[in-house]
Amino acid sequence: GQQLNQSPQSMFIQEGEDVSMNCTSSSIFNTWLWYKQDPGEGPVLLIALYKAGELTSNGRLTAQFGITRKDSFLNISASIPSDVGIYFCAGQNAGKSTFGDGTTLTVKP
Amino acid sequence: DADVTQTPRNRITKTGKRIMLECSQTKGHDRMYWYRQDPGLGLRLIYYSFDVKDINKGEISDGYSVSRQAQAKFSLSLESAIPNQTALYFCATSANGFRETQYFGPGTRLLVL
Repeated sequence: GQQLNQSPQSMFIQEGEDVSMNCTSSSIFNTWLWYKQDPGEGPVLLIALYKAGELTSNGRLTAQFGITRKDSFLNISASIPSDVGIYFCAGQNAGKSTFGDGTTLTVKP
Repeated sequence: DADVTQTPRNRITKTGKRIMLECSQTKGHDRMYWYRQDPGLGLRLIYYSFDVKDINKGEISDGYSVSRQAQAKFSLSLESAIPNQTALYFCATSANGFRETQYFGPGTRLLVL
């Protein structure tokens, strides 16, 4: 089946630093999604990307849909303590999503 | 009030027992999904339903069954629970259409002894 490789697996950063994480796949996806999961909760959608090459921002978050449709990245600028959590990428085709294994972000004050 | 609710939130059961996890939504969405999440891993799709009369297997459906009782309700059953089904289970819903966003419930933590 389809698999996504998400990296890095974890990140430990200082408050104020920028963060970058990415996902790659051997398969093409029509939609790329980025979610955040806080402890004890379900994932919440951060950014959705629908076109190859699309660059979209949501506050301090910026994500891009790769030209090949097989990859995507998420950047977080000027991190703050509440950015702590697990970030998941997901590729979606025909209403079905395939998730990466997540990037666990720790922000030190 | 939450748009997607799951019951129970936590459950401990024994090997061989039948167990049902329930999901309800007030978003009016046609599509509903069941995922499981294991530590350090992403979500894997168990079953999904695009409307009341539609049931489809996901990538890890073995050992599970589902029932779509109404547009708003989608339940997941483990006919005979086994320890490797210990996981966090999430229900999600989405509207029809190309740009559908999935909205997740809070999850059910299941422990099979």
